[in-house]
Amino acid sequence: QKEVEQNSGPLSVPEGAIASLNCTYSDRGSQSFFWYRQYSGKSPELIMFIYSNGDKEDGRFTAQLNKASQYVSLLIRDSQPSDSATYLCAVFGGKLIFGQGTELSVKP
Amino acid sequence: DAGVIQSPRHEVTEMGQEVTLRCKPISGHNSLFWYRQTMMRGLELLIYFNNNVPIDDSGMPEDRFSAKMPNASFSTLKIQPSEPRDSAVYFCASSPTGEVRNEQFFGPGTRLTVL
Repeated sequence: QKEVEQNSGPLSVPEGAIASLNCTYSDRGSQSFFWYRQYSGKSPELIMFIYSNGDKEDGRFTAQLNKASQYVSLLIRDSQPSDSATYLCAVFGGKLIFGQGTELSVKP
Repeated sequence: DAGVIQSPRHEVTEMGQEVTLRCKPISGHNSLFWYRQTMMRGLELLIYFNNNVPIDDSGMPEDRFSAKMPNASFSTLKIQPSEPRDSAVYFCASSPTGEVRNEQFFGPGTRLTVL
């Protein structure tokens, strides 16, 4: 079992819809959780981080953390074509480990 | 403000050659990270420094890889000798604090191709 798992996708949603990206992790002691966005050929950039159970909202983005079930998700409301990218989940439990990423495609 | 600067942006070399990748972190940041990204393995942390001191190098794949940070504004990642399986994009990232859990700012990456 990989330490941080994401569906590779591609996940395709129509413009204006909600995109839901999921991530599971194996280390119960993990403390911090991050979502990075990476456009093709570019470097990752942080879009959200969450430390506590529950939801955290920032504009169109909502991160959800459930430590009991060991998953973290990212919701993107009102998806735009500019949101088309690969989304990397990263989990810190003594070491920062990235998932393989989920490719999101938002169709106009 | 300038972000993390990496050079070269692209490097093509032949198997057996020495490769040196360079990174200048954001001024004032005291943590620096080297990552490697491939399609097969995704983004992997190779090593990170805090206040110029290597803290965790458990991700360095083998002895052919070495990293240094002689001062707060410069770091190198060296591969000697290089092999085709080292082909990847190498990212450098810096963080304003000494804690890995905090936000990291990535450089543009160096795309390495070893023939």
